[in-house]
Amino acid sequence: DTAVSQTPKYLVTQMGNDKSIKCEQNLGHDTMYWYKQDSKKFLKIMFSYNNKELIINETVPNRFSPKSPDKAHLNLHINSLELGDSAVYFCASSPRTSGNEQYFGPGTRLTVT
Amino acid sequence: GQSLEQPSEVTAVEGAIVQINCTYQTSGFYGLSWYQQHDGGAPTFLSYNALDGLEETGRFSSFLSRSDSYGYLLLQELQMKDSASYFCAVNEGGGNKLTFGTGTQLKVEL
Repeated sequence: DTAVSQTPKYLVTQMGNDKSIKCEQNLGHDTMYWYKQDSKKFLKIMFSYNNKELIINETVPNRFSPKSPDKAHLNLHINSLELGDSAVYFCASSPRTSGNEQYFGPGTRLTVT
Repeated sequence: GQSLEQPSEVTAVEGAIVQINCTYQTSGFYGLSWYQQHDGGAPTFLSYNALDGLEETGRFSSFLSRSDSYGYLLLQELQMKDSASYFCAVNEGGGNKLTFGTGTQLKVEL
């Protein structure tokens, strides 16, 4: 009965490759997010979707492309991976009316070599 | 610009009380949230303050003073399992976007 799940948990890949991370939530929430947490634990929002519509798009390289096939899923595709993309990526979800209480997935640790 | 400041590290002994402060400078303010993150784990929601005052949830309480742009998280009867990072986060626009602080690493010792 996992609330927010992500796959894969670990991802090791070489520079220049393209990779995807998948996220699913079974909480019935309308809003989903992608966050990046760097090695200093700084947590920064990247994107947010509300019921499949993009509502937050921070200053993120366009190599990163989110896709929401339905309101329970939000995937993140990254093209031409760079060393600086190495981080932990968290998916999260919340009710549309309460973005203050967000539920995070377990994270995907991406290592680019 | 926006900034949220927290102490980088706090150390306390088991059974004690500890306060983690957060001061913020943001363009808008619609509430202050607190999250806990254990090493290798995901952030988990602890509390939220939209109005001034103290919110209590078990051993954890959170306080907000909007006039001072300041809040704190109070942890009572500390346990070893409380060792984690604690993040404050501000909702600037009233929607769903949270801006997180830099986090406070809490170490609970015997």
